[in-house]
This record gives sequence, structure tokens and C-alpha cells, in this order.
Amino acid sequence: DVKVTQSSRYLVKRTGEKVFLECVQDMDHENMFWYRQDPGLGLRLIYFSYDVKMKEKGDIPEGYSVSREKKERFSLILESASTNQTSMYLCASSFRQGAKNIQYFGAGTRLSVL
Amino acid sequence: AQTVTQSQPEMSVQEAETVTLSCTYDTSESDYYLFWYKQPPSRQMILVIRQEAYKQQNATENRFSVNFQKAAKSFSLKISDSQLGDAAMYFCAYRSYNNNDMRFGAGTRLTVKP
Repeated sequence: DVKVTQSSRYLVKRTGEKVFLECVQDMDHENMFWYRQDPGLGLRLIYFSYDVKMKEKGDIPEGYSVSREKKERFSLILESASTNQTSMYLCASSFRQGAKNIQYFGAGTRLSVL
Repeated sequence: AQTVTQSQPEMSVQEAETVTLSCTYDTSESDYYLFWYKQPPSRQMILVIRQEAYKQQNATENRFSVNFQKAAKSFSLKISDSQLGDAAMYFCAYRSYNNNDMRFGAGTRLTVKP
């Protein structure tokens, strides 16, 4: 079974703090993704990575950065957390291309910024 | 850019009955994939069913089937013999054939009444 693990289920941070959300996958997937999930908006892509040290912006990258130093790990960084970044964050991974390019998701991290 | 629309924010169904969740999408591409994902309360999102656009036959997975109408750009999910465990948020998603990222709809929350 594919396993995508997000390090925290719940996080509470203060405005201005630097926040790290970690994601690890065990299926040797090339692609990794960070989404933000908000009611009525579905999932919106923040960043994705198709290889180590490679990244591409998604639809809403402002206020976020990412790091992929190892194939299995993809980190989302909030440089200076703000209250409008309170949300559910989902990590996903997949093979690069083709019919097997199904995304597998982690359990999510619910972040509250006070 | 492709968009995915789920026009039903909430649906309910009686246990053992059948329910259909709607999804439409907008694209100018001819080759793509469509997905339905299920997100149970406080649990991670899992793939329910997948359809490849070049296949005319509708995909089925046990009690789950789709009605794929390519010309109408419609991709509905039918759940037969609904069970309490089917209660979840359901997301419709689109992926281009050669791209890595997916577009999600806003989701439909399904309630199953005993």
C-alpha cells in the first residue's frame, strides 16, 4: 500500500511564525504536491515537484515556499504565517506520467494561525 | 485553464438507495483523465474511480459507476446500494494526459441516512 505521511494532523501557530509542514512518501514517486483545501473551494494547488530540487508553482504559491532535498520528502514552508493561511493542507504523490499517474494523499494537516 | 464544477454542495441518500453526484468540466483537450475521490470525515482522501477520456465504456468499481459524456463534458458518479460508510466528501478531478497536476471541483458532501 502506498503511504503518504504528513508529520502533523493539527498545528496551531502565531502570526509571523515560520511554519514547516512535512510530507514523506514510501512509493518512490517522482511527483509530490501540496494542496490547500478550503470549504467551497475544493483543493487548490500550491506547489508541486517532479524531481529532487525541482519545483513548480501551482495556482496559489504566494506566501509559501517548498523544499525537496530527497525524493521521498517534500516540505511546505510558510515564511511568515498569516491568519488567511489557516486551512487544511494536503500532500500528495504520484508517478511521473501515464495511466499510473494517480495521486495518493496524506491525511492532511489542519493549520490554525492565530 | 481547465475548470471542474460540482453543482451540488450537499446531497443525501437513504441507506440501500442509489444516488448520483454531478460533475462538469471545461477543456479544449481531447486526451485526459477524470477521477472521483472520496474524503471520509477526518480521514485521508482515496481514489474511488478513474475514467480515461479515450475510452467510451463507462468505468465501474463494484457499487460505484460513472456516466461519462465526453461531448457534454459531464462525468457523474452513481453509488448503488448506498452504505453508511459512503458518507464523505466527494471530489471530481481532471488531469490532462501529459500534465502532472490535477484540477478539483469544490466537492459534494454526501450524507447517508439509516
